[in-house]
Amino acid sequence: TQLLEQSPQFLSIQEGENLTVYCNSSSVFSSLQWYRQEPGEGPVLLVTVVTGGEVKKLKRLTFQFGDARKDSSLHITAAQPGDTGLYLCAGADMEYGNKLVFGAGTILRVKS
Amino acid sequence: NAGVTQTPKFQVLKTGQSMTLQCAQDMNHEYMSWYRQDPGMGLRLIHYSVGAGITDQGEVPNGYNVSRSTTEDFPLRLLSAAPSQTSVYFCASSYSGQGHYGYTFGSGTRLTVV
Repeated sequence: TQLLEQSPQFLSIQEGENLTVYCNSSSVFSSLQWYRQEPGEGPVLLVTVVTGGEVKKLKRLTFQFGDARKDSSLHITAAQPGDTGLYLCAGADMEYGNKLVFGAGTILRVKS
Repeated sequence: NAGVTQTPKFQVLKTGQSMTLQCAQDMNHEYMSWYRQDPGMGLRLIHYSVGAGITDQGEVPNGYNVSRSTTEDFPLRLLSAAPSQTSVYFCASSYSGQGHYGYTFGSGTRLTVV
């Protein structure tokens, strides 16, 4: 299985600030997903990106898949306390039957 | 819309005890899987199933057994619990095991082995 590295591991910001979370690998993924997880709950799918260079927007969240399909980013504009949670990226590993491989996650805390 | 239901929510076991974590989904998903989540290590795949009667090992299968007799249910059995199995366990299902399809996760079982 391939390693997905997320950065930063932890991010604490004030309400209204912008932020970017990164997800990187040395290998190519056929698709990449982002999940958000709140304490005591399971991850919830935010988006799936499939095409290299693809950009998807979900309200204040912008997701980008790298041209080479090895990396992705999540950008949040004007963060709100409700954005607080654990953000996980997961890549469909072509050498692993396209099953999902998860990064360790980025813990985001937005203070009001 | 129940989605994926996991029971129990919390469990404390003594070393050497066995137990079964239950997982049921009502979305008619063919693919089901079990992950464990440990701090700083993300979600690691334990076992998975691409349909009733078919199971296979994931990244960390040792100490766990699974079976899939129906499309809806995918129980995870701990044969002889060890402290290293203290973790949060998540069951997930999907239309297909192919990564293009989103996974639906249960709310997890927090297991402590003492």
